[in-house]
Amino acid sequence: NAGVTQTPKFQVLKTGQSMTLQCAQDMNHEYMSWYRQDPGMGLRLIHYSVGAGITDQGEVPNGYNVSRSTTEDFPLRLLSAAPSQTSVYFCASSWGHLYQETQYFGPGTRLLVL
Amino acid sequence: GNSVTQMEGPVTLSEEAFLTINCTYTATGYPSLFWYVQYPGEGLQLLLKATKADDKGSNKGFEATYRKETTSFHLEKGSVQVSDSAVYFCALSAESGSARQLTFGSGTQLTVLP
Repeated sequence: NAGVTQTPKFQVLKTGQSMTLQCAQDMNHEYMSWYRQDPGMGLRLIHYSVGAGITDQGEVPNGYNVSRSTTEDFPLRLLSAAPSQTSVYFCASSWGHLYQETQYFGPGTRLLVL
Repeated sequence: GNSVTQMEGPVTLSEEAFLTINCTYTATGYPSLFWYVQYPGEGLQLLLKATKADDKGSNKGFEATYRKETTSFHLEKGSVQVSDSAVYFCALSAESGSARQLTFGSGTQLTVLP
């Protein structure tokens, strides 16, 4: 199993550009989520999905869209990039959304917005 | 709301030294508690977890006990190695609003010198 994969590993955008961060998992996990990691702030939840066709907002959803058309894929879209979105983005998945579930993380995408 | 407070770093230790990283939390209900580790250039991976009061999680020589009376989940290791150099995140999983969310501390950078 490849686990959770993310592409690209690194991306530079100009302010106002749009892009999609890809995330895929091959473990048949129901629950998938996106986090951003900023220095001194830990990880913050952007959006999550409890299954195909179901998404919801996390702590910091503004400026981001998601969709979940299949169990495997959970892309994150930046509609109009801003410098405040410079961060490292992690995708994660788990079997379910119970409190004790372990999250499996991808390797991350480092995004720089100029 | 839910929150996690972690001991600020960075922490630098010599090989074979004793490690403690403090973690306290605020949450409604009965959260599950986790320690995740992030090695350089990689995503987060689960180190250990505890799902109810007085449980002890352990893995790779690391231990942490879920203390409900002090709302703490301190990470300890008796003898650290250079390979333990990483960023350590304390996290809790509990209901927040309408969904279960994973809330992270800010992370503690550990460097172990030979």
